[in-house]
Amino acid sequence: DIQMTQSPSSLSASVGDRVTISCQASQDISIHLNWFQQKPGKAPNLLIFDASNLETGVPSKFSGSGSGTDFTFTISSLQPEDIATYYCQQYDNLPYTFGQGTKLEIK
Amino acid sequence: EVQLLESGGGLVQPGGSLRLSCVASGLTLSTEVMHWVRQAPGKGLEWVSTISGGGSTTYYADSVKGRFTISRDSSKNTLYLQMNSLRAEDTAVYYCAKDGCSGDSCYSFAYWGQGSLVTVSS
Repeated sequence: DIQMTQSPSSLSASVGDRVTISCQASQDISIHLNWFQQKPGKAPNLLIFDASNLETGVPSKFSGSGSGTDFTFTISSLQPEDIATYYCQQYDNLPYTFGQGTKLEIK
Repeated sequence: EVQLLESGGGLVQPGGSLRLSCVASGLTLSTEVMHWVRQAPGKGLEWVSTISGGGSTTYYADSVKGRFTISRDSSKNTLYLQMNSLRAEDTAVYYCAKDGCSGDSCYSFAYWGQGSLVTVSS
């Protein structure tokens, strides 16, 4: 199984800050990586697919980069509505696997 | 607009069975790759099962293999997850999810239902 290691597990930042989350795959997954946002009590919401492509309707303040084993997710200017848990997920091979999540809080 | 609506969750005793349903609208379920994903209380996301477009091939996480069965009824445009021999560690919110495609690229879990809570406890 492909292991997805996400860091940090929690992050406290100020409104307007640039926020970056990392995700590392245990083997090459090409660009087959999603990033999700999940708010409490809600289903996950897909933000980024194919490592860097913005899903339809997702604000451009969200971005992703990387390929192979190392990936990065960025929020360009943190807003209060961005408070959530963020997950990376690989779909290169079954079983599809998720990172353990990054809980984002406002400082 | 794609919509997925799960139902069938509830409280069940260890060793019991439950069948989850996911009714789809805005798409023809029979041609789609569909998934079940779960999330234990306060925990992360775990892929559970996948059924291929056409429904001829199914895949399962090791943690549920031999106990869970994914299927669909094209006439009802509904996806199912039959869960047998349930254990306490199966307690979770269960989501059905559908792939998305953009051009020639398809990617998993583009659309999600709202989830259905399964609690396994005596």
